Amino acid sequence: EVQLVESGGGLVQPGGSLRLSCAASGFTFSTYWMHWVRQPPGKGLVWVSRINSDGSTINYADSVRGRFTISRDNAKNTLYLQVNSLRAEDTAVYHCARDGYNWGGFDSWGQGTLVTVSS
Amino acid sequence: QSALTQPASVSGSPGQSITISCTGTSSDVGAYNYVSWYQQHPGKAPKLMIYNVSNRPSGVSNRFSGSKSGNTASLTISGLQAEDEADYYCISYTGSSSPWVFGGGTKLTVL
Repeated sequence: EVQLVESGGGLVQPGGSLRLSCAASGFTFSTYWMHWVRQPPGKGLVWVSRINSDGSTINYADSVRGRFTISRDNAKNTLYLQVNSLRAEDTAVYHCARDGYNWGGFDSWGQGTLVTVSS
Repeated sequence: QSALTQPASVSGSPGQSITISCTGTSSDVGAYNYVSWYQQHPGKAPKLMIYNVSNRPSGVSNRFSGSKSGNTASLTISGLQAEDEADYYCISYTGSSSPWVFGGGTKLTVL
């Protein structure tokens, strides 16, 4: 069974940092593109970042470029998102998702980890 | 990159059919067949319902179908059931440096 489990969220002050993790199991992690998607409380889904299978291709949403860094450790089957210079508008549940159809769709999602940016 | 445009809400009675639209531009929805649809119940993770515009993943009911015409993709749910009440989101590839964009989401109410 495919499983994605996020961790690392929490309450952080504006300007602070966190490292989010997504532990993958039940599939060959090293062969899939992976994404981060966030959802502010009561609002819609927002795409954040993606990384290809070996980490050589990375993209970000304009709103996070320069502040967030996506990475992966295929030996540990783990996806990461380093979030720096946090702002109130970064408050959201952060989900990791697997690209299961070669850019056609995200077929597996984690339950998410909540990041709250507040003083 | 602007969000794709979805109606904020749609509704239908059990057994009826509804269609949710997802309007983009010739640079995203109109340019690529990388459009997918997600169902999200409150407090739950999104679930893939349609990939590559019109394909259903294994296990998704054939009451769900997808299509595209020009810059607009559509999700149709036939034979509405109470369990279909949820939020629905589309996403498209854009080919830009920020390559994916979601729609704003549509709340489906089954009357």
